[in-house]
Amino acid sequence: AQSVAQPEDQVNVAEGNPLTVKCTYSVSGNPYLFWYVQYPNRGLQFLLKYITGDNLVKGSYGFEAEFNKSQTSFHLKKPSALVSDSALYFCAVRGPDSNYQLIWGAGTKLIIKP
Amino acid sequence: DVKVTQSSRYLVKRTGEKVFLECVQDMDHENMFWYRQDPGLGLRLIYFSYDVKMKEKGDIPEGYSVSREKKERFSLILESASTNQTSMYLCASSLSRSYNEQFFGPGTRLTVL
Repeated sequence: AQSVAQPEDQVNVAEGNPLTVKCTYSVSGNPYLFWYVQYPNRGLQFLLKYITGDNLVKGSYGFEAEFNKSQTSFHLKKPSALVSDSALYFCAVRGPDSNYQLIWGAGTKLIIKP
Repeated sequence: DVKVTQSSRYLVKRTGEKVFLECVQDMDHENMFWYRQDPGLGLRLIYFSYDVKMKEKGDIPEGYSVSREKKERFSLILESASTNQTSMYLCASSLSRSYNEQFFGPGTRLTVL
């Protein structure tokens, strides 16, 4: 069965420090991987995706993610965190055989402290 | 920019009422989705539609139905609302099967008393 895990409910980072939000997945075949962000009282916004090609994907707001096939991971990273990055982050995966559907992680709350 | 709008941001209904949640997208997307979002559970797919008048069940369709009479509009119906349907409801759309980025509306927070 396909699944996505975000092992941390919450991540706390000091402003200016690098941040990582973890995501691991389980799908058969080559995955399509996505990160979304949800600011308070807002809908989800697309950040970045991996379909094929370079394992390091760059996205919006200075975020990037690294696809690691051997570890089945797609961790979200940013070199220097901003207070405004505080939000809820969701990882999602689509397997090659899934019918339009994305499988979503439970979400990780990122808190950036000044 | 893609715009997905939902008819209400906040809604309070009573148990047993019939509830309609409406979603409209303005970018001629083929696919539309209804999710509910609950803390610690992420997003769970209720129904989706890949074409007008077409619908498919997601992971948690029980207690819900949908309607897609026009390409831009996808409605979620709670036939008889129950307290366990209190949740945040998110509508999304995507261009086609090969473009799986989903664009989300702002959400409707539904409370069933």
